Amino acid sequence: SQQGEEDPQALSIQEGENATMNCSYKTSINNLQWYRQNSGRGLVHLILIRSNEREKHSGRLRVTLDTSKKSSSLLITASRAADTASYFCARSSNTGKLIFGQGTTLQVKP
Amino acid sequence: DTAVSQTPKYLVTQMGNDKSIKCEQNLGHDTMYWYKQDSKKFLKIMFSYNNKELIINETVPNRFSPKSPDKAHLNLHINSLELGDSAVYFCASSPAEGFGSPLHFGNGTRLTVT
Repeated sequence: SQQGEEDPQALSIQEGENATMNCSYKTSINNLQWYRQNSGRGLVHLILIRSNEREKHSGRLRVTLDTSKKSSSLLITASRAADTASYFCARSSNTGKLIFGQGTTLQVKP
Repeated sequence: DTAVSQTPKYLVTQMGNDKSIKCEQNLGHDTMYWYKQDSKKFLKIMFSYNNKELIINETVPNRFSPKSPDKAHLNLHINSLELGDSAVYFCASSPAEGFGSPLHFGNGTRLTVT
């Protein structure tokens, strides 16, 4: 499948804990992006990491990229109930298309 | 102000009908897309338009026809609707075509075919 694999498919944690989601892919990339989707809403772009970058931060988000392993991870620190959503990775190939993974559903319990 | 807006939000119709979904973006972007999200949340690109020109046309039944009257609008017309067309359809836009520019999504149109 062209689509990336995300792991885990579902994650349930307590407020204040950290959440880590992983994404693997099979072909080379220009960049990799992470998106959040709240229930009943469209996807919202969170962060983009280029193929020559290894780590990127944005607020409580930290994204890492390991091109040798063809994998990326998204870490949300000090999670909040409002972080409850589905999180998708999307890889950008040389054709310019964004290929999305199937997402990780995160539930943060107050 | 909504950046990417699509209407309607919900669409319930019977098999065999023809329906349209409209999308407009006020971001000044050159590229617009249609994505389909199935019940398992897989998101798959259907079409991409750059400045009114079709760029990407994935393996989509020809019952689906996109139309871009100008670069701010990309509508999706579906003929002879089938049960399997039930899904959430997302419109998106990006500032540049290709090479993975971040996408701005609308809030989706949930299509239910009965």
